[in-house]
Amino acid sequence: QKEVEQDPGPLSVPEGAIVSLNCTYSNSAFQYFMWYRQYSRKGPELLMYTYSSGNKEDGRFTAQVDKSSKYISLFIRDSQPSDSATYLCAMSDSGGSYIPTFGRGTSLIVHP
Amino acid sequence: GAGVSQSPRYKVAKRGQDVALRCDPISGHVSLFWYQQALGQGPEFLTYFQNEAQLDKSGLPSDRFFAERPEGSVSTLKIQRTQQEDSAVYLCASSLSSGGRTDTQYFGPGTRLTVL
Repeated sequence: QKEVEQDPGPLSVPEGAIVSLNCTYSNSAFQYFMWYRQYSRKGPELLMYTYSSGNKEDGRFTAQVDKSSKYISLFIRDSQPSDSATYLCAMSDSGGSYIPTFGRGTSLIVHP
Repeated sequence: GAGVSQSPRYKVAKRGQDVALRCDPISGHVSLFWYQQALGQGPEFLTYFQNEAQLDKSGLPSDRFFAERPEGSVSTLKIQRTQQEDSAVYLCASSLSSGGRTDTQYFGPGTRLTVL
């Protein structure tokens, strides 16, 4: 079993839908949680960063962390075709330098 | 503005060939990371530099993989005697300071290596 599990999809939704993307993890030492967006043939770019449990909102994006369930989510409101990409969750523990463990990514397709 | 650049963008090698992949980080960024991303997978850590010092190489899969950053800016990832399992996208990322947990990593577009 991998440390970070993420459904690869693809997840196909109509424009304007609310999208929910999720990851589960097994390492209880993880404290820092990130979501990256990766367009085809590009490198990942950081979308959201959260420390420990709770919610964080940035525009149309909301990140949630539930450490008791070892479950994190990214919600995208009013999804747009330009949101079509692969979304990677990543997390790191509280010791050492910043070396994140990534999920395999979920492919999201938002169709007009 | 200038982001992280990588070259070549695509590389095809015959099994057994040596390859060298280059990363130009954002100017002034102290930390530099290399990752390997297999098809349909997330990036996996290979190695980490702080300036010219290689502080962590625990992710390098074998002694055929070697990375350097001699002047603390440009970095090269070298793979000797390439094997088919080395086929992947190799991503470079840089961050402004010493690789702390709150430091944003900026990724390059990657080099797609195909070993025939």
